[in-house]
Amino acid sequence: DAGVIQSPRHEVTEMGQEVTLRCKPISGHDYLFWYRQTMMRGLELLIYFNNNVPIDDSGMPEDRFSAKMPNASFSTLKIQPSEPRDSAVYFCASRTSGGADTQYFGPGTRLTVL
Amino acid sequence: AQSVTQLGSHVSVSEGALVLLRCNYSSSVPPYLFWYVQYPNQGLQLLLKYTTGATLVKGINGFEAEFKKSETSFHLTKPSAHMSDAAEYFCAVSEVSSASKIIFGSGTRLSIRP
Repeated sequence: DAGVIQSPRHEVTEMGQEVTLRCKPISGHDYLFWYRQTMMRGLELLIYFNNNVPIDDSGMPEDRFSAKMPNASFSTLKIQPSEPRDSAVYFCASRTSGGADTQYFGPGTRLTVL
Repeated sequence: AQSVTQLGSHVSVSEGALVLLRCNYSSSVPPYLFWYVQYPNQGLQLLLKYTTGATLVKGINGFEAEFKKSETSFHLTKPSAHMSDAAEYFCAVSEVSSASKIIFGSGTRLSIRP
């Protein structure tokens, strides 16, 4: 399996622009997680899905952030409008239903908002 | 509610020396416990995990961790550090009963001195 795939790997944009991050989970995994990592705040869980349904979005910073999972093999995280403080590395991860099952992380998208 | 505390944001050891990274958790029910490693510019990957059974868990790259319920600890050790062990290490916990998201600690950066 190719693992969790994220695109783009790097994104540089200007403040106010819309940003869309993409994730393809491992086939057969029914949980998908979006995280944000910064030096100041560490690793933060933004939202997670089970069987394409958002379960907990309490970590989403504000209404500028939205996430969707239209099918089992694709998810997006959108920021509109983007701000410099959104600059971070965004990770997607997936796993199967077992509580002890390993969470597999993608390589991340490094977002820079100028 | 679950929580994870990693003692020491940065640990530095000499090559060949013992590595000890500390992790304490809080959980009202039996936990699953994990250690993940993050190499520079990469996503997190699983080092080892405790689910049930033997409290001493062996992982990849010579690392091991011991679950001590009485101390609510899950410290990570390696007898002899190698330069390639330099990375960020995250302890994490999830509850057996809920089996949904896992809670990550703030991370410990391990540096290896030649």
